Amino acid sequence: QQQVKQSPQSLIVQKGGISIINCAYENTAFDYFPWYQQFPGKGPALLIAIRPDVSEKKEGRFTISFNKSAKQFSLHIMDSQPGDSATYFCAASMWTGGAGSYQLTFGKGTKLSVIP
Amino acid sequence: KAGVTQTPRYLIKTRGQQVTLSCSPISGHRSVSWYQQTPGQGLQFLFEYFSETQRNKGNFPGRFSGRQFSNSRSEMNVSTLELGDSALYLCASSSPPGYTDTQYFGPGTRLTVL
Repeated sequence: QQQVKQSPQSLIVQKGGISIINCAYENTAFDYFPWYQQFPGKGPALLIAIRPDVSEKKEGRFTISFNKSAKQFSLHIMDSQPGDSATYFCAASMWTGGAGSYQLTFGKGTKLSVIP
Repeated sequence: KAGVTQTPRYLIKTRGQQVTLSCSPISGHRSVSWYQQTPGQGLQFLFEYFSETQRNKGNFPGRFSGRQFSNSRSEMNVSTLELGDSALYLCASSSPPGYTDTQYFGPGTRLTVL
């Protein structure tokens, strides 16, 4: 059962445009929502993250919008650049009390291509 | 500070063999998690270790196992390899233990099973 659904699978955006990637989750126990960026041959790197007590978080050109009632969150990349071309993963995390740690569940990823 | 290192970076094995992958976390990090990444299933959590103890485990068969040493270095082992085990295996370390907002990934080990 996929707990975090991500769309689209791939995205092509013109340089300077806005890239939007969407994710939806089912489990209301999730309480931390990070986005990861992965370049070919590299491991994922944390890009930006949000907790459900805020509806939006912005860091530079990257913004997360969070809709708790709809159980959806999205990543917006403003003024997209060719260097942003990568695979983006949304994730959701919840505290697993028995284990005493957080566990991340990832979406399946979006391959973003920004063309000049 | 050096990042998470994983060895080897690439590995080719045949069905039925076993394989051991190694991960050295960032200095001072005591929690190590392992993930399997495939085009079809994406990133899937395998297990997490802290202070040499497995704290959390994903839904993988018993052929997948791991351990952590006193210096926080971790190894994962896959026995009786199957074609479907071909994947990128990622290790991530974190500090404080289990706090995902400080989780750092290594470059991965690309395993190909023939």
